[in-house]
Amino acid sequence: AQSVTQLGSHVSVSEGALVLLRCNYSSSVPPYLFWYVQYPNQGLQLLLKYTSAATLVKGINGFEAEFKKSETSFHLTKPSAHMSDAAEYFCAVSVSSSASKIIFGSGTRLSIRP
Amino acid sequence: GAGVSQSPRYKVAKRGQDVALRCDPISGHVSLFWYQQALGQGPEFLTYFQNEAQLDKSGLPSDRFFAERPEGSVSTLKIQRTQQEDSAVYLCASLDRGRLDEKLFFGSGTQLSVL
Repeated sequence: AQSVTQLGSHVSVSEGALVLLRCNYSSSVPPYLFWYVQYPNQGLQLLLKYTSAATLVKGINGFEAEFKKSETSFHLTKPSAHMSDAAEYFCAVSVSSSASKIIFGSGTRLSIRP
Repeated sequence: GAGVSQSPRYKVAKRGQDVALRCDPISGHVSLFWYQQALGQGPEFLTYFQNEAQLDKSGLPSDRFFAERPEGSVSTLKIQRTQQEDSAVYLCASLDRGRLDEKLFFGSGTQLSVL
């Protein structure tokens, strides 16, 4: 069985500060891992995905995530937060890169303070 | 269209009514997924189609939920005898297999409120 746990349902940072959203996974097989972003009244958009090619994955909008097998983590970071980053972020896991039956975490709402 | 389209955007139903939610995937996408997203939660998998074949329906919460995709394009999620616990946003996503950089494209969802 696979699952993801997102630590912190709400994270607030100042504009220009580091963004760190935490995700830990559980998987009985090598996982494929994803981060999605959901802006209000919009569909989920893929930020980045890990498919075992490289442990540090760069995504859109300046986000990146590092796969750490020893810590079973896939935390999302961005060096400098922008007001437009305010959204809901979901970590997700799957058994294949083609994303069949993705299992999502409960989400982390990111707020940006001016 | 340019993206995954879902209709209606909002649906209010009285408890016990049947509802039908529509999903128009991106043209040519062979895989289609339905997810249920309760308030404050992440999306939960409901069912998956490849063309017209429903390959996985393990996430459907009860036999009141039924999905179809008869011609391998548009899909309909039907909920019979709706209950208050069915209130959620229902998300549809499609995927174009065969590309080097596969990813799911999500619609904006249908927000169902059962009174």
